[in-house]
Amino acid sequence: KQEVTQIPAALSVPEGENLVLNCSFTDSAIYNLQWFRQDPGKGLTSLLLIQSSQREQTSGRLNASLDKSSGRSTLYIAASQPGDSATYLCAVATINDYKLSFGAGTTVTVRA
Amino acid sequence: DAMVIQNPRYQVTQFGKPVTLSCSQTLNHNVMYWYQQKSSQAPKLLFHYYDKDFNNEADTPDNFQSRRPNTSFCFLDIRSPGLGDAAMYLCATSRGGQGRGDQPQHFGDGTRLSIL
Repeated sequence: KQEVTQIPAALSVPEGENLVLNCSFTDSAIYNLQWFRQDPGKGLTSLLLIQSSQREQTSGRLNASLDKSSGRSTLYIAASQPGDSATYLCAVATINDYKLSFGAGTTVTVRA
Repeated sequence: DAMVIQNPRYQVTQFGKPVTLSCSQTLNHNVMYWYQQKSSQAPKLLFHYYDKDFNNEADTPDNFQSRRPNTSFCFLDIRSPGLGDAAMYLCATSRGGQGRGDQPQHFGDGTRLSIL
């Protein structure tokens, strides 16, 4: 059974600092890994999806890396802004499983 | 141009009073999912439809049911809501690929359910 862990559970940084969010998973037989953003009381917004054959994906200030063999992914957010304050979840699509396995998320606060 | 639409955004019901949440999609995806997310927890899959094939998770409570009358719509019915059913309910869709899990899931904005 796939287990996904996100550390830390919460993070507070001053504006302008780079953010590093970690995600680890136990079963490396995956199709892809996805990073989501969730604002309080809202649904999930997909940020980046990395296929198992890829090492990283970039979108604007966001960069996500994937090391499948070690079961790790990292989301980097450059030059953080107060608007980046949210909970970030990673989710893994495991081969031969139809459901996503989610981490519990990292709640980020960017202080102005 | 919302692609997965959930209604209502907020739902308040009374303890034990049946409630229905709805999800519609314009993506023509053949797989639809319902997740339950409680505060500060990861989303938990309740069930999913692969075309018309209904798949219930083993630990989904019996008072949770679902209907999918056509490709575009899917409903979550809670027959007798208890206080523990207060949560965010998320609908998602995907294209069913050969791997049946290899396609990305697209989420709606969720319905926040409160129980009085």
